[in-house]
Amino acid sequence: SQQGEEDPQALSIQEGENATMNCSYKTSINNLQWYRQNSGRGLVHLILIRSNEREKHSGRLRVTLDTSKKSSSLLITASRAADTASYFCAYPRYSGGGADGLTFGKGTHLIIQP
Amino acid sequence: ETGVTQSPTHLIKTRGQQVTLRCSSQSGHNTVSWYQQALGQGPQFIFQYYREEENGRGNFPPRFSGLQFPNYSSELNVNALELDDSALYLCASSLPQGEGNTIYFGEGSWLTVV
Repeated sequence: SQQGEEDPQALSIQEGENATMNCSYKTSINNLQWYRQNSGRGLVHLILIRSNEREKHSGRLRVTLDTSKKSSSLLITASRAADTASYFCAYPRYSGGGADGLTFGKGTHLIIQP
Repeated sequence: ETGVTQSPTHLIKTRGQQVTLRCSSQSGHNTVSWYQQALGQGPQFIFQYYREEENGRGNFPPRFSGLQFPNYSSELNVNALELDDSALYLCASSLPQGEGNTIYFGEGSWLTVV
């Protein structure tokens, strides 16, 4: 079952505006990753943020992590039509032997209107 | 380009048949995991292999099985295909996940069961 939740599930904005997506999770984690997926394609890795980091930047992307609230956010600044995609947060799932896979939510579908 | 390659990209199978999907991991990555992504959903973890051993499994029945080879490439086998197995199957590779390493995905294999 999926334990992560992205919010909102869909977001439509004008080109040039900023887009913010949120992710919540339920377990203790040591890192969280954000991915982008264009329609019908594979997942493209965007950023990995570790539990001892509160904020991380990569180009027009800014990711925050609040481990006390078990939440993360992805901000895309100055959006472009090419940013139209689904965005997923993913974090480790843990079994007795340690981390053994990722848990994903349903994602946020972002549409950038030209 | 993530360096993770999957084949075939698309295939159609009949209910009850068996299918084998293949994945070549990024050079040097000894950990491979597989995910199933139904339309409109986030990826769901099937299992993970580390140094040719399965070291984690999601909530999938035994008819989903896998292999990892000495060169770290991997196969996903699904027996007795059901209509609900129609999905995008994603392979991901990394260095050992427990160390918080980035996980890279391939473009996926689209499976349609009719």
